[in-house]
Amino acid sequence: QKEVEQNSGPLSVPEGAIASLNCTYSDRGSQSFFWYRQYSGKSPELIMSIYSNGDKEDGRFTAQLNKASQYVSLLIRDSQPSDSATYLCAVKGLSESNFGNEKLTFGTGTRLTIIP
Amino acid sequence: NAGVTQTPKFQVLKTGQSMTLQCAQDMNHNSMYWYRQDPGMGLRLIYYSASEGTTDKGEVPNGYNVSRLNKREFSLRLESAAPSQTSVYFCASSTRQGTYNEQFFGPGTRLTVL
Repeated sequence: QKEVEQNSGPLSVPEGAIASLNCTYSDRGSQSFFWYRQYSGKSPELIMSIYSNGDKEDGRFTAQLNKASQYVSLLIRDSQPSDSATYLCAVKGLSESNFGNEKLTFGTGTRLTIIP
Repeated sequence: NAGVTQTPKFQVLKTGQSMTLQCAQDMNHNSMYWYRQDPGMGLRLIYYSASEGTTDKGEVPNGYNVSRLNKREFSLRLESAAPSQTSVYFCASSTRQGTYNEQFFGPGTRLTVL
C-alpha cells in the first residue's frame, strides 16, 4: 500500500474553472502536509503548506486538510493555462522510516492540464 | 540569494564510471536531502543529512554515498554507475522548526548511464 496516494490524471479543466486535486495518506500520525507544483523538466516548487484541520487560502490556491479522513486537497480557483503542471502531495509522518521526523513522503503526482 | 544550486545540470556516464553531484544552499538550512525522480515512481529519498556531520540512509541508498562537507554543501557520489541509476536527481534543503519541514529544491541533475 502506497503511503501517499494521488490520482495520476491527467486531469483536464477548462480555463476559469476550479481545479480540485486530491491526496490520501496512510500514516495517521502525520503532522505536516505540502503541495508542490512541478512544470515539465523543472524542479518541484512549494506552493502550499498546511498543518491543522480546515482550509488555508493563499491567492487562488486553497489547501484543505481532514486528518480524521486522512485526506488533503488543493483547489485552484480561476484556473489559468500557466497552472498546467504536475502537482505533488507530500506528507511528513511519524512512521519508522522517518529520520528524526524530518522525512517527507511524496505521492507520484497528478498531471493537470488547463484547457483554454 | 541563489537558494539551492546543483552541478552539473546534465551528465552522461558509461557503466562503471564514477561521478559526484554537487549541491549547495545559501539559506542557512540545517537539513539537506538527495532525491531521485523516475517516471511513475515519484520522488524517492536517497540520503538525508539532518545537520553538518550527520548523514542517514533514505529509501533507495544502494549504489550511492554522500558527504556533508559543511553546513552549505551536500554531495552525492556514484562510485560505479549502472543504467538503473539513470534518473533526475534533486537536492533539497529545509530548516528544522518543530513540526514544520518546508523543503526547497534545486534545479536538478539529469543523469544518463549508458
